Amino acid sequence: GAVVSQHPSRVICKSGTSVKIECRSLDFQATTMFWYRQFPKKSLMLMATSNEGSKATYEQGVEKDKFLINHASLTLSTLTVTSAHPEDSSFYICSAEAGTGNQPQHFGDGTRLSIL
Amino acid sequence: SQQGEEDPQALSIQEGENATMNCSYKTSINNLQWYRQNSGRGLVHLILIRSNEREKHSGRLRVTLDTSKKSSSLLITASRAADTASYFCATLRMDSSYKLIFGSGTRLLVRP
Repeated sequence: GAVVSQHPSRVICKSGTSVKIECRSLDFQATTMFWYRQFPKKSLMLMATSNEGSKATYEQGVEKDKFLINHASLTLSTLTVTSAHPEDSSFYICSAEAGTGNQPQHFGDGTRLSIL
Repeated sequence: SQQGEEDPQALSIQEGENATMNCSYKTSINNLQWYRQNSGRGLVHLILIRSNEREKHSGRLRVTLDTSKKSSSLLITASRAADTASYFCATLRMDSSYKLIFGSGTRLLVRP
């Protein structure tokens, strides 16, 4: 089946640090990748949609300069949380899709980000 | 809110019993999907039902879709302790964005 690898699984760092999270589709080419944020015991909130070779589309209320997304190839998208602060602490999950929307998204295992 | 609603928010049942979770949504959809999430992990796709379908089965899972009521249900039959997880419905909007809008989720606990 389609596998999405997300790395790292956990990050603990000091306030002001920038953190990069990678999302890779291992056995398929992902035309679109999605980045979500999830608070404890809550649902997934879509942050941005990323297409290979083009700028990401951010959801309303998500700061594009704070959450930098790069989709350099059909198998890799990165999310960089710049100058992270404690309020950025959360669970970040990526997903990838190979087709046109009528197929399931394949999710990474998430990254637990803790900013001290 | 971009999210749909699911009920119940939490469900506790005995192993062997059936579990039913409901999902309501707000806009016209292309399809509706159900996902499962174990604590601290990513989501696993369970089943996808298209807007022109009314019922779908996969193993112990049965999903129904009523587009007139903008609602769906997920039934897990003969539940097992390993079914303990959070379950989310997600709808694909009828536009070109291919975005999934997730429901609020149901936390299922299956007691051995």
